[in-house]
Amino acid sequence: KAGVTQTPRYLIKTRGQQVTLSCSPISGHRSVSWYQQTPGQGLQFLFEYFSETQRNKGNFPGRFSGRQFSNSRSEMNVSTLELGDSALYLCASSLVTGQGSYEQYFGPGTRLTVT
Amino acid sequence: GQSLEQPSEVTAVEGAIVQINCTYQTSGFYGLSWYQQHDGGAPTFLSYNALDGLEETGRFSSFLSRSDSYGYLLLQELQMKDSASYFCAGRDDKIIFGKGTRLHILP
Repeated sequence: KAGVTQTPRYLIKTRGQQVTLSCSPISGHRSVSWYQQTPGQGLQFLFEYFSETQRNKGNFPGRFSGRQFSNSRSEMNVSTLELGDSALYLCASSLVTGQGSYEQYFGPGTRLTVT
Repeated sequence: GQSLEQPSEVTAVEGAIVQINCTYQTSGFYGLSWYQQHDGGAPTFLSYNALDGLEETGRFSSFLSRSDSYGYLLLQELQMKDSASYFCAGRDDKIIFGKGTRLHILP
């Protein structure tokens, strides 16, 4: 079974631009979560989608948004990029949401650099 | 709110045993998970404790005490390939990760 895939793997953007990242979960997984990983802050939760609905959202500004499609693929968008948005963005999928989603499968991440 | 605290770094010798602790504060809690992440790689799931006690998976074991809001990951017979960052994660309405413990292994 194919793992979680994320595209693109690397991205360089300029301040003020916007970016869209894509995630394809493991086949059959309906929950997709997004995380921002930086050296100082570790893995920070952005949001979780399940069956095309946002289930939870982390403490990030409204510039960060996402969506999930009927095939469970998910995208996240960051508008008006800031230098501090430079990070590794990880997507993780799980079969279910809620209490049963303790085991998540992570994609390789998208390394975003904002200049 | 929820927060998980773990040491930033731990150093151990190859072949030895090391314990990585995780304490948490949360208003609601479903259990504690552990993930391993090698440099340049993605986090991979190691173990999960829903109930108090010890869970063993090969050389790795994980323990949870909900009354103490505390858990740990125990790695036995350390190998150089175990050099990585280890994250504990808890969930109430969303999954929250600790900031990770960097494990250094000396030959």
